[in-house]
Amino acid sequence: SQQGEEDPQALSIQEGENATMNCSYKTSINNLQWYRQNSGRGLVHLILIRSNEREKHSGRLRVTLDTSKKSSSLLITASRAADTASYFCATDPQALIQGAQKLVFGQGTRLTINP
Amino acid sequence: EAQVTQNPRYLITVTGKKLTVTCSQNMNHEYMSWYRQDPGLGLRQIYYSMNVEVTDKGDVPEGYKVSRKEKRNFPLILESPSPNQTSLYFCASSLRGGWGGSNQPQHFGDGTRLSIL
Repeated sequence: SQQGEEDPQALSIQEGENATMNCSYKTSINNLQWYRQNSGRGLVHLILIRSNEREKHSGRLRVTLDTSKKSSSLLITASRAADTASYFCATDPQALIQGAQKLVFGQGTRLTINP
Repeated sequence: EAQVTQNPRYLITVTGKKLTVTCSQNMNHEYMSWYRQDPGLGLRQIYYSMNVEVTDKGDVPEGYKVSRKEKRNFPLILESPSPNQTSLYFCASSLRGGWGGSNQPQHFGDGTRLSIL
């Protein structure tokens, strides 16, 4: 079953605008990560936010986490054509069994930045 | 350069012909994992390894085998491939294994596109 679900599935904006993508999940987590995937390539880690953090910044990226709503958002400010990619959230659910390792990905948001 | 290397990048083969996809990382990472990516289903974990000789099933392990004899290598084996294993496969690694090992940024290879006819 999918733990993280991104919304929207696709987003198309003009260069220079801000892009916001959302992720919802179902169970308690240790952390939540965001990844970018350019077409035909592997995923690239963008940012990790721990369950006790509410907001984190990295360059033009801003991630928020609301554990009470089980949701996160990724904001890309001043978007560029090079930001065109798919963006995935991945959650690290709190394991019931010590040693169980899992990183669960959502289905992604396809972001297109139009010049 | 720190990287995760998968081979081959592309493979077309036939049902039942055993194949191995290799994965190697040069970052001395303890944790390694295999995923498959399918349209509409996102990435699903096949197997993971917390360290040498320690492997465990992910969400979709049926039809796959793995081994972790050395820290840097984590091959994915399809003993008798079937068409439903046609997919894009990714290997990933992260620094730490053990409890909380997935609590780390993961480094991904560029993927292997498998077509099973």
